[in-house]
Amino acid sequence: EDQVTQSPEALRLQEGESSSLNCSYTVSGLRGLFWYRQDPGKGPEFLFTLYSAGEEKEKERLKATLTKKESFLHITAPKPEDSATYLCAVRRGGGSQGNLIFGKGTKLSVKP
Amino acid sequence: DAGVIQSPRHEVTEMGQEVTLRCKPISGHDYLFWYRQTMMRGLELLIYFNNNVPIDDSGMPEDRFSAKMPNASFSTLKIQPSEPRDSAVYFCASSGIAGGTLSIQYFGAGTRLSVL
Repeated sequence: EDQVTQSPEALRLQEGESSSLNCSYTVSGLRGLFWYRQDPGKGPEFLFTLYSAGEEKEKERLKATLTKKESFLHITAPKPEDSATYLCAVRRGGGSQGNLIFGKGTKLSVKP
Repeated sequence: DAGVIQSPRHEVTEMGQEVTLRCKPISGHDYLFWYRQTMMRGLELLIYFNNNVPIDDSGMPEDRFSAKMPNASFSTLKIQPSEPRDSAVYFCASSGIAGGTLSIQYFGAGTRLSVL
């Protein structure tokens, strides 16, 4: 069964304390892994798409990496404004635009 | 573009009442998705449309749920009759080649539904 598991469920960091969020997946025919950020009371906001093992993408303090079994979202020197829930999703093969399977997310809190 | 627009933002209703959620996708997008988010199950796909045609409704929980897309700029998700276990945040998302990026889904702000 296709599955996405994110860990930890919640993470508390001090401002400037770097860390990583994990997204483990099992899916038949990966057609993309997506990272989203969700703020309270808002919809998920797209961050990155990764398509193949070894691929990396960066945006400000965030860097996403991908292996054949998992993805990491590395947060370097986080700031309080990075506090949010980070969602990981995978798109299955078959050529369909749909079929995004989401993990339950990691809630990140960054204290000043 | 204003992004994906959903209405209402909040809906409180009593068990047994009909609820209609509305969505306007990003102009030019040809895919539209309806999701439900709860603490227990996270974000789940309910149904999605391509060019106004429903493609996969396997995530619709039961016959009380229905979705329509009468034109490219409007979709509805209806629950009739509503039950307390339907309480959740419902999101609409759209995607397409508009803006040159295929397959990224852009989400609306969601409708928080409370069924008493």
